[in-house]
Amino acid sequence: EAGVTQSPTHLIKTRGQQATLRCSPISGHTSVYWYQQALGLGLQFLLWYDEGEERNRGNFPPRFSGRQFPNYSSELNVNALELEDSALYLCASSPRTGGIFGSPLHFGNGTRLTVT
Amino acid sequence: QQPVQSPQAVILREGEDAVINCSSSKALYSVHWYRQKHGEAPVFLMILLKGGEQKGHEKISASFNEKKQQSSLYLTASQLSYSGTYFCGTEGHSGYALNFGKGTSLLVTP
Repeated sequence: EAGVTQSPTHLIKTRGQQATLRCSPISGHTSVYWYQQALGLGLQFLLWYDEGEERNRGNFPPRFSGRQFPNYSSELNVNALELEDSALYLCASSPRTGGIFGSPLHFGNGTRLTVT
Repeated sequence: QQPVQSPQAVILREGEDAVINCSSSKALYSVHWYRQKHGEAPVFLMILLKGGEQKGHEKISASFNEKKQQSSLYLTASQLSYSGTYFCGTEGHSGYALNFGKGTSLLVTP
């Protein structure tokens, strides 16, 4: 089966611009999780979408937003980009709805966002 | 809510053993372990559910002490392919998020 796919692979933006990152989950997976991986900080939880709805968000400002489409693919938008937004953004999917509850997450290769 | 991992980094010679620890201040439903190689996606290794069970995956096994909210990952007879960064992810009883530690960098040398 095809894994989680993310696009673009790399994205370079200028401070103040907006960035849009895309994620296609594994076929049959309805939950999508977004994580930010900045150098030395590990994986920081951003957002969780489950069956089209935002179910939970991490400790990030509102300029980080997203949505999930009817086909369960997802989009992460980052507005008013700041230099510290430079990071690897990882998307993961899960076949389980309603919560993780011991179900493994399947990660994509990520989008490397660089803000100059 | 971010779990604490230790050590931050470890260097092994091929064939040596290592233990990576993960602790949380919150009651946990499960602990996940992932390995990420440079430039690649994190890859799932195993899940430990509450109940103190121990799981194994080839020469990599893990335990979960529910009372202490601690998990340990055991790598025995390490191989060069074990090199990478290991992350533990902890899940609370709401199931709403998997919170990861900062990772443990493991390097296995010949």
